[in-house]
Amino acid sequence: EVQLVESGGGLVQPGGSLRLSCAASGFPFNSYSMNWVRQAPGKGLEWVSYISSSSSTIYYADSVRGRFTISRDNAKNSLYLQMNSLRAEDTAMYYCARKLLHYNWFDPWGQGTLVTVSS
Amino acid sequence: EIVMTQSPATLSVSPGERATLSCRASQSVSSNLAWYQQKPGQAPRLLIYGASSRATGIPARFSGSGSGTEFTLTISSLESEDFAFYYCQQYNNWPPWTFGQGTKVEIK
Repeated sequence: EVQLVESGGGLVQPGGSLRLSCAASGFPFNSYSMNWVRQAPGKGLEWVSYISSSSSTIYYADSVRGRFTISRDNAKNSLYLQMNSLRAEDTAMYYCARKLLHYNWFDPWGQGTLVTVSS
Repeated sequence: EIVMTQSPATLSVSPGERATLSCRASQSVSSNLAWYQQKPGQAPRLLIYGASSRATGIPARFSGSGSGTEFTLTISSLESEDFAFYYCQQYNNWPPWTFGQGTKVEIK
């Protein structure tokens, strides 16, 4: 069974840092590109970042570029999101999502990890 | 950046009735559009890709149509488990991948 499990969320003060993880199983992780997508409380979905299977291509949303860093460890079947200089508007549920090999939609998604930025 | 606009924001439907959700793109996305279902407290689940192809395990009562800038998700006969939020996503021009703001399908 394909599974994505996020962890690392929590309460952090504005200006602080947090590192999210996404553990993948049930598929050849090193063959798939991955994404982070977030959802602020009561709001819609916002794509955050993309990383290719070999980490050679990385993209960020304008709202997080320069503050967030996406990475992966294919040996550990894991995806990461290092979040620095956090702001109140970064408060959201963060989902990792797999991009299909030759297609550009997302499937499946993990259950999410909640990040709350507040003093 | 392509802006996706969904309507209506909320759709009140009785069980067994038909639901029609709309999604409009600010520029053509060809057929590169997906629909996701999200229930409270759960992750989004892929329903439709390629504007009209059902994902694995998705019931036949869900159908998608459209191309270019106008798209529709139809649920032919609503069942209790279908009351949820629905989001469209374009993947024609990326990054960024962009989503509509969502439509809530609620029980009438």
